[in-house]
Amino acid sequence: GNSVTQMEGPVTLSEEAFLTINCTYTATGYPSLFWYVQYPGEGLQLLLKATKADDKGSNKGFEATYRKETTSFHLEKGSVQVSDSAVYFCALTNSGGGADGLTFGKGTHLIIQP
Amino acid sequence: GAGVSQSPSNKVTEKGKDVELRCDPISGHTALYWYRQSLGQGLEFLIYFQGNSAPDKSGLPSDRFSAERTGGSVSTLTIQRTQQEDSAVYLCASSLPSGSGQDTQYFGPGTRLTVL
Repeated sequence: GNSVTQMEGPVTLSEEAFLTINCTYTATGYPSLFWYVQYPGEGLQLLLKATKADDKGSNKGFEATYRKETTSFHLEKGSVQVSDSAVYFCALTNSGGGADGLTFGKGTHLIIQP
Repeated sequence: GAGVSQSPSNKVTEKGKDVELRCDPISGHTALYWYRQSLGQGLEFLIYFQGNSAPDKSGLPSDRFSAERTGGSVSTLTIQRTQQEDSAVYLCASSLPSGSGQDTQYFGPGTRLTVL
C-alpha cells in the first residue's frame, strides 16, 4: 500500500533561516504529491503540489521537487518567517485520489522564533 | 465562493450515543472525502463519494461508522454507539471529479468530536 514518511519535529528555527522538511514515499505507479499546511486554529490548506517526476511545485516562497529516483518530495524555503509557524503534511494520491483518498505523513510541527 | 463547511464545529457526547456530522462541499465539486485526524493515528482517509455513486466503505474503521450523500451534494457521517477512541477531528474535503486533472482536494475546518 501507499505510505508517506516525514520528520515529525517539532522543528524550531530562527527567523530568516533555511528550511528543509524531508518527505519520502512508497506508492505504486505514478502518484501525485502534495504539501498541505495547517496554521494554528485553521483548517488544512494546500501549499503546493507536483503531479509527475521532476515537476517543481512552489507557493509563498516554498518549493518541492518530485524526485522519482529517490521517492522524495522535500519541502524547502530559503528564509522562513514567524508566520510560517504551522504543521506541514506531506501527502500523495494515486489517480487523483478517488477510492484511495490522500495518504498523509504524520505531520511536521514547525516553530519559527523571532 | 464559499469553501467547504462542516457542522457542528465541536461536539461533545457521551459514550454509547449516536452522532451525526455534516459536510457541505464547494458548489460544483462532485467528489467528496471524509478523513479523521487523531493524535495517535494522524490523518486517516475514511470514505469517498463521486457524485451519487455508491461509496467504497472499506476505509471506515468499524461497522458503527456510516456515511451518505444526498443529491450528490451534502454528506453526513454517522457514528453509532460512540466509543472514547472515536474522539478526533473529522475532516471533509471536496474536489472536482477524481482523475480530472483538476482534482485538488479542499478541506473544511473540521468537527472536533469528544466522547466522554
